[in-house]
Amino acid sequence: QQQVKQSPQSLIVQKGGISIINCAYENTAFDYFPWYQQFPGKGPALLIAIRPDVSEKKEGRFTISFNKSAKQFSLHIMDSQPGDSATYFCAAKGGTGGFKTIFGAGTRLFVKA
Amino acid sequence: DGGITQSPKYLFRKEGQNVTLSCEQNLNHDAMYWYRQDPGQGLRLIYYSQIVNDFQKGDIAEGYSVSREKKESFPLTVTSAQKNPTAFYLCASSTPDTDTQYFGPGTRLTVL
Repeated sequence: QQQVKQSPQSLIVQKGGISIINCAYENTAFDYFPWYQQFPGKGPALLIAIRPDVSEKKEGRFTISFNKSAKQFSLHIMDSQPGDSATYFCAAKGGTGGFKTIFGAGTRLFVKA
Repeated sequence: DGGITQSPKYLFRKEGQNVTLSCEQNLNHDAMYWYRQDPGQGLRLIYYSQIVNDFQKGDIAEGYSVSREKKESFPLTVTSAQKNPTAFYLCASSTPDTDTQYFGPGTRLTVL
């Protein structure tokens, strides 16, 4: 119940296209859903995050869509660029996990020029 | 510049040896964490500490040990009891009033 399931495992998108990464969770007590971006050989960094009281959050080309009833959330990268090529992790925090952040397995995104 | 530093960047260890990974932060964060990253498995929590002189086991603590004697420092020791220690190790920190975790650059440990 503490898991966060992420798909796809890898994704190839043409430059200018839309990248979509999906995540699902079971624990309805989670109350914070961040996305982290990680470049090779570096630590992850927070990209964008959402709380369950809103259904969408947009920051520049990055949008989180949140479906509370389906217990799913997704990251959309509009106008994908080669510089967006990285590994993306969804995560969830709160509920019975309390202090812990539970991470998805990650999606390796490659944007072709 | 505020941030988290981890050293060394690369570490090689012979089987049967203990090795200690360093993590230092100057963000004045109370909480610190250690994660292990393996390909295709995301980030798995090893240990975390919410305050100085206190720490708790995460999901994969076996074969690891930590200490938290100073707010700024949270070293991780990988002991010879850890069966498969080759991985990328990440340290992170956070404050109580934010759910964001700030990560260091990581240490890649290879057992020879």
